Amino acid sequence: QTVVTQEPSLTVSPGGTVTLTCAASTGAVTGAYYTNWFQHKPGQAPRALIYSTSNKHSWTPARFSGSLLGGKGALTLSGAQPEDEADYYCLLYCGGAWVFGGGTKLTVL
Amino acid sequence: QVQLQESGPGLVKPSQTLSLTCIVSGGSISSGNYWTWARQPAGKGLEWIGLIYTSGSTNYNPSLKSRITISVDTSNHQFSLKLSSVTAADTAVYYCAREWTNWGQGTLVTVSS
Repeated sequence: QTVVTQEPSLTVSPGGTVTLTCAASTGAVTGAYYTNWFQHKPGQAPRALIYSTSNKHSWTPARFSGSLLGGKGALTLSGAQPEDEADYYCLLYCGGAWVFGGGTKLTVL
Repeated sequence: QVQLQESGPGLVKPSQTLSLTCIVSGGSISSGNYWTWARQPAGKGLEWIGLIYTSGSTNYNPSLKSRITISVDTSNHQFSLKLSSVTAADTAVYYCAREWTNWGQGTLVTVSS
């Protein structure tokens, strides 16, 4: 089964920019992986941010964007806010199965 | 907007079957493409369990496939998860979701005697 890898932790300054990545053990992530990104805060349901690589939901703040970068899925946060501190998970469609990444703990400090 | 709520026993004995239901409100369970289950053990990441398409066909996580059954009850606007032969490793918060877009709040299931 495909292993999906994310940075375990990242730190960004308030107002700063940070990029989280999502790599597949099988090779380059492409549009066919339908990359999803979620924000997850303790005690809450995961909140969908991005689907199919770069599409935003109606509630996704404009400061979040999704893309492919260097063979990986990427989530870029531009202008970080304190409320963006959370765990972020990517989700890939790999060979007929969905696989979550291990998650990135983002600290805004 | 579609809302989802998981329900079921919070405690299951080892070797028994875990059964959860996801109740859908604010929209038709016949709409959309698929309905899915995921879980998160304490201190760990999310894990996909499986999904059911509105056509009734299913797709399960290969690592859990032999123990999972997902079904849908359109008349009662709900879909269900059954996980057999549970062990302590199945202790987790279980989430249901609609196409990864709308999620339930999650329900903690503990496997213990």
